[in-house]
Amino acid sequence: AQSVTQPDIHITVSEGASLELRCNYSYGATPYLFWYVQSPGQGLQLLLKYFSGDTLVQGIKGFEAEFKRSQSSFNLRKPSVHWSDAAEYFCASGGSYIPTFGRGTSLIVHP
Amino acid sequence: DAMVIQNPRYQVTQFGKPVTLSCSQTLNHNVMYWYQQKSSQAPKLLFHYYDKDFNNEADTPDNFQSRRPNTSFCFLDIRSPGLGDAAMYLCATSDIPHNEQFFGPGTRLTVL
Repeated sequence: AQSVTQPDIHITVSEGASLELRCNYSYGATPYLFWYVQSPGQGLQLLLKYFSGDTLVQGIKGFEAEFKRSQSSFNLRKPSVHWSDAAEYFCASGGSYIPTFGRGTSLIVHP
Repeated sequence: DAMVIQNPRYQVTQFGKPVTLSCSQTLNHNVMYWYQQKSSQAPKLLFHYYDKDFNNEADTPDNFQSRRPNTSFCFLDIRSPGLGDAAMYLCATSDIPHNEQFFGPGTRLTVL
C-alpha cells in the first residue's frame, strides 16, 4: 500500500526567508505526486504535480518541488516566503489509484 | 470559471437529525469524492464515484451515505449525526482517479 509521510507538523519561518517542506512517499513504481495548500476554512488548492519527466517541477505562487527517486522524496521549496503563504500544506501520492494524503505541515510565517 | 461548488458553506444540525450536504461541478469530471476533515488533520476519504460506480471506504460508517444523480451533482447524507461527525466536509473531483483533484471550499458541519 502506498503511504505519504510529512515529518514536520509545524514549520516556522520569517517573512522573506527560504522554505522547504519535506515529503516522503512509499510506492513501488513511480508515483504521481502532488502538493496542495489549504488556507483556514477553505478547500485544498493544487500547487504543483509530478507525473514524469523533469524532476524539478514549478508550481503556482512561486513554489517548486523536486522529485528524488533515490530518497523517495518530493520536497516543496520556496526561495522567499510571504506572510500570505501561512497555511496548511499537504503532500499526496497517487499510484494506480486515488492519491493518499500526508498528515499536513502547518506553515507559520513571522513578520 | 470551471469549479466545484459546495452548499451550504456552514450547516448546523441537531444530534440525530438527518442532514444533506451538496456538491456540484462544472468541470465535467468523471470522479467525485467526499472527504471528512477534522481540525489539524488530513482529509479522510469517505467514498467516491467513478461515473456511476460507487466506492465506499472500508472504515466509512454506515451513517454516511451518498448519491450521485448525474455527472454534475453529488450528495452526502448523514442519517443520524453524532457529535463526532462535526467536521469540515470536502468535495473534490478529478478526471481519472489517480490524477489531480479539484476541491470545493467545504461545508463546516456543527452538531449540537
